[in-house]
Amino acid sequence: SQQGEEDPQALSIQEGENATMNCSYKTSINNLQWYRQNSGRGLVHLILIRSNEREKHSGRLRVTLDTSKKSSSLLITASRAADTASYFCATVQSGGTSYGKLTFGQGTILTVHP
Amino acid sequence: NAGVTQTPKFRVLKTGQSMTLLCAQDMNHEYMYWYRQDPGMGLRLIHYSVGEGTTAKGEVPDGYNVSRLKKQNFLLGLESAAPSQTSVYFCASSYHRDEQYFGPGTRLTVT
Repeated sequence: SQQGEEDPQALSIQEGENATMNCSYKTSINNLQWYRQNSGRGLVHLILIRSNEREKHSGRLRVTLDTSKKSSSLLITASRAADTASYFCATVQSGGTSYGKLTFGQGTILTVHP
Repeated sequence: NAGVTQTPKFRVLKTGQSMTLLCAQDMNHEYMYWYRQDPGMGLRLIHYSVGEGTTAKGEVPDGYNVSRLKKQNFLLGLESAAPSQTSVYFCASSYHRDEQYFGPGTRLTVT
């Protein structure tokens, strides 16, 4: 079963606008990660936020985490056409064995129009 | 460093045939994973390994077997391919619970 649910499923914006994607999950987590996938390619790691962190920045990316609501958001500021891709959140559950098993959401398809 | 590589990139099988997908990583990662990606389903974990000689089942293990004889390699086998196994397969590796590094994928079609 999918741990993460992402919203919206698809997002279409103009270059220069901000894009916000949301992710909700069901169980307690060790960390939450965001990945990008360009069409036909493998996934690329964007950012990791741990359960004791509330916000993290990386370049034009801002991720927030609200463990009380079991949700996270990814904000891409000043979007570019090259940001067009699918974006996935993935969680590593807390407790249990020490492996880093990721559970992925279904993804948000972002289209940035020039 | 090549990162994570996968062989082959594309393959067409007939129902009942067998094949092995090879994943190799040169980052000395302990953990390796096999996922499948289907339209509208995100990625689902098939099998994973937390070290050389160890393997474990993931979310959708049926119809697949794996082996990790060397730390840098993780093999995914299909003993008797079925059309339901038509998918894109991704291998990944990681250092413990942190970010995973993905290969470019293998597109498999079973007719």
